[in-house]
Amino acid sequence: ETGVTQTPRHLVMGMTNKKSLKCEQHLGHNAMYWYKQSAKKPLELMFVYSLEERVENNSVPSRFSPECPNSSHLFLHLHTLQPEDSALYLCASSQGGTGGLGWSYEQYFGPGTRLTVT
Amino acid sequence: GNSVTQMEGPVTLSEEAFLTINCTYTATGYPSLFWYVQYPGEGLQLLLKATKADDKGSNKGFEATYRKETTSFHLEKGSVQVSDSAVYFCALSGGYNKLIFGAGTRLAVHP
Repeated sequence: ETGVTQTPRHLVMGMTNKKSLKCEQHLGHNAMYWYKQSAKKPLELMFVYSLEERVENNSVPSRFSPECPNSSHLFLHLHTLQPEDSALYLCASSQGGTGGLGWSYEQYFGPGTRLTVT
Repeated sequence: GNSVTQMEGPVTLSEEAFLTINCTYTATGYPSLFWYVQYPGEGLQLLLKATKADDKGSNKGFEATYRKETTSFHLEKGSVQVSDSAVYFCALSGGYNKLIFGAGTRLAVHP
């Protein structure tokens, strides 16, 4: 496998379910991102992890819970979602420096998970 | 704050037509500028970038020039193909770990 992979590609879940999205990057990067892409809305940055530490959380509801166990893997745990959470969830990675220095803004994206909440 | 404004789509063209997708930005400092492309069913891919004023990014026949005086980074291609049909996103570097994206412009190219 190369690049950034995401599983599952499609997910349908009820509002009371608990599920997880998985992202894996094979690029040796040290920063990973979750984005939400909804129809007719700009891409929304949800979370940023740098060196396995969360460095950004853009006021995302607590029903979304990220986890980054190592620099190659990123999860998004979902519970008690709402229908308006239906969207394409994209994972990305990049190579970042430490202390805010040397960041590469070239982000590499996975194909996304199409989530439908019923 | 920093922001990106793209022309609304969809843009519909015939094959071999000239393409321009407008992008303007608001930013403090000197951001880097990017164009990403999203083909159907896929994630975003970096198409080209420019890191300072007057730089021209180019890739696959697409070009964009970083114009500081007009705060613009318009995407152009001289002759589009059906395979160029996709959504195009303009973005700027918004801090040490962020990209700020425009809303995206859908391009449809017909034979």
